[in-house]
Amino acid sequence: EPEVTQTPSHQVTQMGQEVILRCVPISNHLYFYWYRQILGQKVEFLVSFYNNEISEKSEIFDDQFSVERPDGSNFTLKIRSTKLEDSAMYFCASSSPGTRSYNEQFFGPGTRLTVL
Amino acid sequence: KQEVTQIPAALSVPEGENLVLNCSFTDSAIYNLQWFRQDPGKGLTSLLLIQSSQREQTSGRLNASLDKSSGRSTLYIAASQPGDSATYLCAVTGAGANSKLTFGKGITLSVRP
Repeated sequence: EPEVTQTPSHQVTQMGQEVILRCVPISNHLYFYWYRQILGQKVEFLVSFYNNEISEKSEIFDDQFSVERPDGSNFTLKIRSTKLEDSAMYFCASSSPGTRSYNEQFFGPGTRLTVL
Repeated sequence: KQEVTQIPAALSVPEGENLVLNCSFTDSAIYNLQWFRQDPGKGLTSLLLIQSSQREQTSGRLNASLDKSSGRSTLYIAASQPGDSATYLCAVTGAGANSKLTFGKGITLSVRP
């Protein structure tokens, strides 16, 4: 069964460093998302992406964050200068357009980001 | 702004019990509602999706219902097993082809053998 994959599973970085989190969405999906979950808190929406453009972004998704679909398969989240409060599990999700899917979103296993 | 609430935060039941997990949301103008399972330190597995026009959806021992007008959904788990122990998350989307999910905090279920 097709699934969303994410790499790395765990990333440790120093405050102020740049990180890139990578995702491979399900191959026939066209809508892509990033969410994050700080330990013990709700899963929060960061950004949605379609047709090489950001569709919607949350207040969390400030100038330090960017997303890209560099090729036909990968979808990346870049944090330019990490802060301690960026430590969280980051989830990528994808969904398919069309009347049968009803925008059901499928999630990857997550990347645990630890900022020291 | 949509808010999703799941109460209680944790639940412990003996094996074999039928149980109901509750979810409420403040804005009834949703497109769909998804229930997810999350094991500790893991990703989110989609269990059921209910479209806004539906009243319920079933998959195996799971049955999810939706009352959009009152802003409520329930996830019914029949004959619970220790393997059902996990956190169950409810999330809703608004209108729009790629609308974001707004999540509740989840209910952590422990099924005792």
